[in-house]
Amino acid sequence: SYELTQSPSVSVSPGQTARITCSGDALPRQYAYWYQQKPGQAPILVMYKDRERPSGIPERFSGSNSGTTVTLTISGVQAEDEADYYCHSADSSGSYWVFGGGTRLTVL
Amino acid sequence: QMQLVQSGPEVKEPGTSVTVSCKTSGFIFTSSAVQWVRQTRGQRLEWVGWTVIGTGNTNNAQNFQGRVMITRDMSTSTVYMKLSSLRLDDTAVYYCAAAIYTYGYAGQWSWGQGTQITVSS
Repeated sequence: SYELTQSPSVSVSPGQTARITCSGDALPRQYAYWYQQKPGQAPILVMYKDRERPSGIPERFSGSNSGTTVTLTISGVQAEDEADYYCHSADSSGSYWVFGGGTRLTVL
Repeated sequence: QMQLVQSGPEVKEPGTSVTVSCKTSGFIFTSSAVQWVRQTRGQRLEWVGWTVIGTGNTNNAQNFQGRVMITRDMSTSTVYMKLSSLRLDDTAVYYCAAAIYTYGYAGQWSWGQGTQITVSS
């Protein structure tokens, strides 16, 4: 079955840039979606269609796609950005979806 | 604005079934797709399955083949997920999420509040 691979953790100091990557063979053909999840809360969409930012999401969040890898970049990280981040996409047929394993962002 | 309201928590015995509802509003239901996702305590998000509302097509994750049924009620813009042959490890929070789905691509996924399903003997 299709898989998306994320690094388990990323740590940055406040004000630095955090880059969270997600790899999958179908990413050149399928859009990626990114969610932020804090303990006890439902996931929040922070990026859709690789690089589109939903209204209400700070401009410091951006997304990019470089083939089989998509990246969520958080510029000028703030303490409130500490959370788990999940990528989400479909397989090459577009019929089955999958989540990455999640990346825990720690703000030092 | 998309709104998704899920049914309340349930406690079920192993071997039984549970149905979770997801009532939607604020968008054109027939132009959308709805997926189901679950999360066990402290674990990753796990995709369960989805339905494309306009066509009625559904697909489920391999892990749930034969145990999950996703249906929709066009008159109330509600989607249902029925999970059968419940096991202890089905205990989780189940979420529904919806997005406008056109030309084979989804827009912004909006999520319900989640439903706690507990399987216990």
